[in-house]
Amino acid sequence: QIQLHQSGPGLVKPSQTLSLTCAISGDSVSSNSAAWNWIRQSPSRGLEWLGRTYYRSIWYNDYEVSVKGRISIAPDTSKNQVSLHLNSVTPEDAAMYYCVKAHCSVGGCFYSWFESWGQGTLVTVSS
Amino acid sequence: AIRMTQSPSSLSASTGDRVTITCRASQRISSFLAWYQQKPGKAPNLLIYNASTLQDGVPSRFSGNGSGTEFSLTISGLQSEDLGTYYCQQYNAYVTFGGGTNVEIK
Repeated sequence: QIQLHQSGPGLVKPSQTLSLTCAISGDSVSSNSAAWNWIRQSPSRGLEWLGRTYYRSIWYNDYEVSVKGRISIAPDTSKNQVSLHLNSVTPEDAAMYYCVKAHCSVGGCFYSWFESWGQGTLVTVSS
Repeated sequence: AIRMTQSPSSLSASTGDRVTITCRASQRISSFLAWYQQKPGKAPNLLIYNASTLQDGVPSRFSGNGSGTEFSLTISGLQSEDLGTYYCQQYNAYVTFGGGTNVEIK
């Protein structure tokens, strides 16, 4: 059974970088039938997909347009985990952040449904 | 971006009732739609994908229907443990979620 365990600070200062880590157990970050996503949820913006990484001979990334340029999602195969970095944060980035596994077919990784979620990390942006 | 609009935004129903939640896409998304249940303080949980396929372990009282731009989630025989917020999600082009429907038990 897959488990996604998130870690990272819950408080980030404005203009600094939000960094979270998701440790994967019961699956591999290099799986050819999964994509590893970050999704956030706030009362003002609802559920918002931020981006993903997945492996198909090489590593691929896709990012939501609204955060592109500020976001990086990266795998760490040695630790079987995936990280999120979001820089230049503002109070609008305050939210619950989730690490999420999406189903991918072996042949390709189109966007799909989210089948396993981490426990969530509540991030506050404040000085 | 494809906008997903859910209705109603909230509802209150009695146990045993049949409950239907609607999700409308701003453009055609074929059957690339999923439904989630979120209980207070928890992460969303996948119920249905590809508009009508029940995720393993999800009770059969949950069902999904629709294609194109109009979709529905039906709970046939509402149970007390079904309280929570339900979300639709499209994955035809990138990913977007609906605003949610809060289900309360009378």
